[in-house]
Amino acid sequence: KAGVTQTPRYLIKTRGQQVTLSCSPISGHRSVSWYQQTPGQGLQFLFEYFSETQRNKGNFPGRFSGRQFSNSRSEMNVSTLELGDSALYLCASSPTAGVNIQYFGAGTRLSVL
Amino acid sequence: AQKITQTQPGMFVQEKEAVTLDCTYDTSDQSYGLFWYKQPSSGEMIFLIYQGSYDEQNATEGRYSLNFQKARKSANLVISASQLGDSAMYFCAGTGANSKLTFGKGITLSVRP
Repeated sequence: KAGVTQTPRYLIKTRGQQVTLSCSPISGHRSVSWYQQTPGQGLQFLFEYFSETQRNKGNFPGRFSGRQFSNSRSEMNVSTLELGDSALYLCASSPTAGVNIQYFGAGTRLSVL
Repeated sequence: AQKITQTQPGMFVQEKEAVTLDCTYDTSDQSYGLFWYKQPSSGEMIFLIYQGSYDEQNATEGRYSLNFQKARKSANLVISASQLGDSAMYFCAGTGANSKLTFGKGITLSVRP
């Protein structure tokens, strides 16, 4: 069974641009969550999608958004990039919502110049 | 809301010896899960072991075991027979009904030959 796939693996953008990251969950998994990891703030929850609906949202500005498609694939978008958005963005999938094991992808490393 | 605390800044262990990584948690949820993840320098978050709040037995997965003490609110990871490939960052995490994983700050483990 294929694991969680995140694309692209690396991205370099400049301030003010926007970026879209993609996540394909493990086959059969319907819940997808996104996390941001930075040296200063550690791992922080961005949002969770389940059955195409945002179920939870972390404490991030509205520039961070996401969506989930009918095949459970998810995308997250960051508009008007700031230097502080440089981070490793991790996607995780689980079979359902609630208390479940979340399996992570390899992450997308975003650098904002 | 959950809080996960990992206070050990870094750990060193000799190859083939056992090591314990500490984790304490605080939560208001009755049903919750506790997890340990390994993050090598490549960045991928690798699931190691899961303990449910209602599980009476400590979880074990190969060389990994979770020492779950509910009254003390601790969920320590024990790695037996350490290997050089175990050198990585280790994160304790918890989740409740809202699926959001809350992570500790992590512990760096270095295995010496």
